[in-house]
Amino acid sequence: TQLLEQSPQFLSIQEGENLTVYCNSSSVFSSLQWYRQEPGEGPVLLVTVVTGGEVKKLKRLTFQFGDARKDSSLHITAAQPGDTGLYLCARNRDDKIIFGKGTRLHILP
Amino acid sequence: GAVVSQHPSWVICKSGTSVKIECRSLDFQATTMFWYRQFPKQSLMLMATSNEGSKATYEQGVEKDKFLINHASLTLSTLTVTSAHPEDSSFYICSASLQGDPYEQYFGPGTRLTVT
Repeated sequence: TQLLEQSPQFLSIQEGENLTVYCNSSSVFSSLQWYRQEPGEGPVLLVTVVTGGEVKKLKRLTFQFGDARKDSSLHITAAQPGDTGLYLCARNRDDKIIFGKGTRLHILP
Repeated sequence: GAVVSQHPSWVICKSGTSVKIECRSLDFQATTMFWYRQFPKQSLMLMATSNEGSKATYEQGVEKDKFLINHASLTLSTLTVTSAHPEDSSFYICSASLQGDPYEQYFGPGTRLTVT
């Protein structure tokens, strides 16, 4: 059972454009994490959100946790080629981290 | 702080041989380490959880006799892929967590295994 659905699966946009990717589940999260993984490397934690309705900003990245704590979004403003990578959302469950399938983002220069 | 390393970063082995991958926490003691496998264009799938000094707990569908995990110290865990086959070719990533918080994991850079 896929606990986390991420959309879109792939996204290719021009440098300078804005984008939003989504992470959804039918169940409630106690917290949710977003990671970015570049090819040939391990994932790097970007943010953890824990409170329904919470918004966190990391430079041009804005993370939002849904009010019901079942969904989250990541918005990137003025995307740059350095933003290219696999964006993974993940939730905690039974002392483990469960990852979504990810959104593969490619920013064209 | 909280750096995790893996060795080797990539390895090529022949079918039928065994290969060992090391995961080290460089600046902290990790009571729990996790091993993940990632196939091309897919997400990370947890293979097993290992606690220092005890047997690893494997996820459903992961063969414990094929993927041997040893967590002999608080800074080192090893994954040995025994009798490797081409379908074992994958990106193997480990992570380590501090005592008491399995959800705060620090990930290694991964090991690319290719079995020919």
